[in-house]
Amino acid sequence: ETGVTQTPRHLVMGMTNKKSLKCEQHLGHNAMYWYKQSAKKPLELMFVYSLEERVENNSVPSRFSPECPNSSHLFLHLHTLQPEDSALYLCASSQDHRDAYEQYFGPGTRLTVT
Amino acid sequence: AQKVTQAQTEISVVEKEDVTLDCVYETRDTTYYLFWYKQPPSGELVFLIRRNSFDEQNEISGRYSWNFQKSTSSFNFTITASQVVDSAVYFCALGWISSGSARQLTFGSGTQLTVLP
Repeated sequence: ETGVTQTPRHLVMGMTNKKSLKCEQHLGHNAMYWYKQSAKKPLELMFVYSLEERVENNSVPSRFSPECPNSSHLFLHLHTLQPEDSALYLCASSQDHRDAYEQYFGPGTRLTVT
Repeated sequence: AQKVTQAQTEISVVEKEDVTLDCVYETRDTTYYLFWYKQPPSGELVFLIRRNSFDEQNEISGRYSWNFQKSTSSFNFTITASQVVDSAVYFCALGWISSGSARQLTFGSGTQLTVLP
């Protein structure tokens, strides 16, 4: 595997379910990001992790819970979601959150909340 | 506050035509970066270019060219002799430093480019 991978690619869940999105980067980067992409809207940064520590949390509802066990893996735990949370969730990584602007993106997880 | 505006929501051109995608940004920072990303139907954003705020020299890479003008806060992207494979959503982004010292990207809403055969 190369680059940034995300699983699953598609997910349908009810509002009472609990699920997790997984992201893995094979680039040796130290920083990882979660973005939300809704239709016709700009990408919204949700979380930034650097060396497994969260450095940014952009006012995301608590029903989204990130986890970064190591610099190669990033999870987004989902619970009690709302239909408006349906979107494409993109993971990205960069060399370091302080030194590099260039972010490399995964293919995303298309989430549908019913 | 940082803001990126891509006024063109959708553009359709016929193959071999030239097309320019507009990007206007707002920032009070003196040091910042500008990016273009391509998002094909597969969903993965592909990095195309990065320019810093001190370098207004235009850049050409094959059929792609970028025009950065600080005076108008614009960073426009031109595809020459467009091809069907250029069909994608193109995002302009502004890179800046947050209060937590993290490098962040603020994205525009994207321009859907369709190149017809």
